[in-house]
Amino acid sequence: KQEVTQIPAALSVPEGENLVLNCSFTDSAIYNLQWFRQDPGKGLTSLLLIQSSQREQTSGRLNASLDKSSGRSTLYIAASQPGDSATYLCAAPLLTSGTYKYIFGTGTRLKVLA
Amino acid sequence: KAGVTQTPRYLIKTRGQQVTLSCSPISGHRSVSWYQQTPGQGLQFLFEYFSETQRNKGNFPGRFSGRQFSNSRSEMNVSTLELGDSALYLCASSLSGGQGDEQFFGPGTRLTVL
Repeated sequence: KQEVTQIPAALSVPEGENLVLNCSFTDSAIYNLQWFRQDPGKGLTSLLLIQSSQREQTSGRLNASLDKSSGRSTLYIAASQPGDSATYLCAAPLLTSGTYKYIFGTGTRLKVLA
Repeated sequence: KAGVTQTPRYLIKTRGQQVTLSCSPISGHRSVSWYQQTPGQGLQFLFEYFSETQRNKGNFPGRFSGRQFSNSRSEMNVSTLELGDSALYLCASSLSGGQGDEQFFGPGTRLTVL
């Protein structure tokens, strides 16, 4: 069964800390992996998309890496701020029952304390 | 460029009723995917439409159906509502729905079934 796993499920850090969120996937032949942010009761905001040919993508204080061989992606958040508090989800198109479907991880709920 | 829009934002229905949700993709995007998000199951793929054809389907009962119009707008219908259908329904659009495409999400429709 194709799966995407995120660890930890929840994380609480003081403001200013650098932190890493982890995402593991079962199919090393993925085309891409996308990181999202979701605020409570809201839709998903795309943060970064890493294509299979890339190893890293950066946007502001965010840096995402992709290691297909180990089936892992990490999202690094530098100098965290209270406004970063949200749930972070990763997703990848994985081959399921003969077709590709976007499979989401269960998310990491981040709380940045002022 | 306007983002993905979903209407209505909130719905309250009773068991046995049916409901129709609407999604307008980003201009130029031809693929629309629907997802159900619940606290217990996370984000689960419902189906994907491209050029007015259902191209992909998740593991949901036949009570869940959808369609796409020539302008790429999509509707999702749930018949004979059950309490367990209470969820946040999200749609996402992408250029062609290919495995390398970035997905953009709408704000969601919060459905409550009483």
